[in-house]
Amino acid sequence: AQSVTQLDSQVPVFEEAPVELRCNYSSSVSVYLFWYVQYPNQGLQLLLKYLSGSTLVESINGFEAEFNKSQTSFHLRKPSVHISDTAEYFCAVKGTGRRALTFGSGTRLQVQP
Amino acid sequence: KAGVTQTPRYLIKTRGQQVTLSCSPISGHRSVSWYQQTPGQGLQFLFEYFSETQRNKGNFPGRFSGRQFSNSRSEMNVSTLELGDSALYLCASSLAAGEETEAFFGQGTRLTVV
Repeated sequence: AQSVTQLDSQVPVFEEAPVELRCNYSSSVSVYLFWYVQYPNQGLQLLLKYLSGSTLVESINGFEAEFNKSQTSFHLRKPSVHISDTAEYFCAVKGTGRRALTFGSGTRLQVQP
Repeated sequence: KAGVTQTPRYLIKTRGQQVTLSCSPISGHRSVSWYQQTPGQGLQFLFEYFSETQRNKGNFPGRFSGRQFSNSRSEMNVSTLELGDSALYLCASSLAAGEETEAFFGQGTRLTVV
């Protein structure tokens, strides 16, 4: 079995400030990890993923996440947020040998001017 | 390349009715998965199809069913609708069925049951 915990349901932050969205997972097998973003009335867009190799992964719009196996975490960070980053962010895990994604409950990032 | 297309975008149905939702995957993608998103339960996996065969199923009652056609398009059906079936239904397509393959999501169909 696998599960994902996103510790914060909402994160308010001022524009140009740094942000960290926390994600912890639990799994009995090795995992692949993903962060998805959802804008209002939209589907999910893949932000970044960890499959293997370097534990630090980056997206094209400045987000990064680090896979920490010992702490079973995959926190998402951005050094300076923009108003346009306001959205809901979902952490997801897919266990090796599993085909379905298991999602966390989501974190709503609210960037204020 | 066109993305994942879900139709319709919005749907209102009455309790007891049935509904069919459609998903056209990205061209060349053979795996289609369905997820239900609600404020209370979050995102939950419904089922996955690959090459017209259901490969994996989530923990949903038998009222929820699906199928995949030879062109990889998929439909999901919900019979005897209940108020609790109101949700955003998301379809995701992948190139293959392996666990490493990236899932691309459509914009979803928002179903309201009244």
